[in-house]
Amino acid sequence: AQSVTQLDSQVPVFEEAPVELRCNYSSSVSVYLFWYVQYPNQGLQLLLKYLSGSTLVKGINGFEAEFNKSQTSFHLRKPSVHISDTAEYFCAVSEGTGRRALTFGSGTRLQVQP
Amino acid sequence: ETGVTQTPRHLVMGMTNKKSLKCEQHLGHNAMYWYKQSAKKPLELMFVYSLEERVENNSVPSRFSPECPNSSHLFLHLHTLQPEDSALYLCASSHLRQGGFTEAFFGQGTRLTVV
Repeated sequence: AQSVTQLDSQVPVFEEAPVELRCNYSSSVSVYLFWYVQYPNQGLQLLLKYLSGSTLVKGINGFEAEFNKSQTSFHLRKPSVHISDTAEYFCAVSEGTGRRALTFGSGTRLQVQP
Repeated sequence: ETGVTQTPRHLVMGMTNKKSLKCEQHLGHNAMYWYKQSAKKPLELMFVYSLEERVENNSVPSRFSPECPNSSHLFLHLHTLQPEDSALYLCASSHLRQGGFTEAFFGQGTRLTVV
């Protein structure tokens, strides 16, 4: 069965500082991995995805993530955050076999302070 | 219109009412989902339809009844709800391919309040 763990429920950071949001997954088969962002009272918006190929994927708004198969991780990074990046971030996994839909982590609240 | 559209955006209903949430996708996807998002809880997958067939039903109470008449439309029929059912209900769509489900595109959600 697939599962996702987001290790930090909240991450406070100052504006223009770098940030890393951690995500670990559990699956016995190959996976697709995703990061989503949710602003207040909105749906989820896709930031980036890993399906295959290069383990470093770049997304929108200057975010990137690296797929590490040996550590079963897919951490999200941004070298310099803005106030507007304050939001909830969700990591998600979809298994490559069977018909399980996306499983989401519990989310990480990124709080960017001036 | 593009993307995934949910109506209504806000809904207040009494515990004895019957209402329906509607979702429409214009992305040509073959899978649609309902998720429930409650305060301080992870996103909960409720139902998955793939090629108009329900493929997942995650122990959701029978007071929630999904309907998928075609690949572009998904409904969630609600009746005799409880106050703890108050939440943001999110609809999403994606494609089911050989390697699994691709990225999901979400609607804006329906904020449901049960009084």
